[in-house]
Amino acid sequence: GENVEQHPSTLSVQEGDSAVIKCTYSDSASNYFPWYKQELGKGPQLIIDIRSNVGEKKDQRIAVTLNKTAKHFSLHITETQPEDSAVYFCAASTSGTYKYIFGTGTRLKVLA
Amino acid sequence: DTEVTQTPKHLVMGMTNKKSLKCEQHMGHRAMYWYKQKAKKPPELMFVYSYEKLSINESVPSRFSPECPNSSLLNLHLHALQPEDSALYLCASSQDKAGTLNSPLHFGNGTRLTVT
Repeated sequence: GENVEQHPSTLSVQEGDSAVIKCTYSDSASNYFPWYKQELGKGPQLIIDIRSNVGEKKDQRIAVTLNKTAKHFSLHITETQPEDSAVYFCAASTSGTYKYIFGTGTRLKVLA
Repeated sequence: DTEVTQTPKHLVMGMTNKKSLKCEQHMGHRAMYWYKQKAKKPPELMFVYSYEKLSINESVPSRFSPECPNSSLLNLHLHALQPEDSALYLCASSQDKAGTLNSPLHFGNGTRLTVT
């Protein structure tokens, strides 16, 4: 069935360093890829998304890249800050469906 | 703060109780979702309503009963739950226009449910 693999499961970085989280999807029909940040005690919040007709998207310190051929997409956070510490989920979805296949999550810790 | 409001934030119930979870959004979204999230796991889809009609039921046990009274409200009625049903229950909404590309899910902060 449809699957999204996410790596790593945990990631610790020093404040100011960059963090990269990678996802691989299985369904070639997937064409929408959101990233969510979930802080303790809260619901997931959208931080950035990308559609299959775009290879890269950037929003300040956050960027997402998509390689459709390899079915890979990645989240890049630069100049990390302690408030970036959270669990991050990638997801893949296909137009015309209501199903979002989530990755297993990455717990990011930014060390001050 | 999120634009999807869920109440209550916490709920403890016995296995014989009946309770309801509530969700409200005023973004004009016509698709609303219930997800279940266990600790350290991603959200799992339970139900989807589109234009107040049930579109998806992911084979959820009948002790969970969803209801969509209008385009802004979504309820989840709970009855005879089991301890393994303890989890964070998340409501989400999204735009839902036929023929358009998928739009992002907007999640509430969830109801932390404990079944004793």
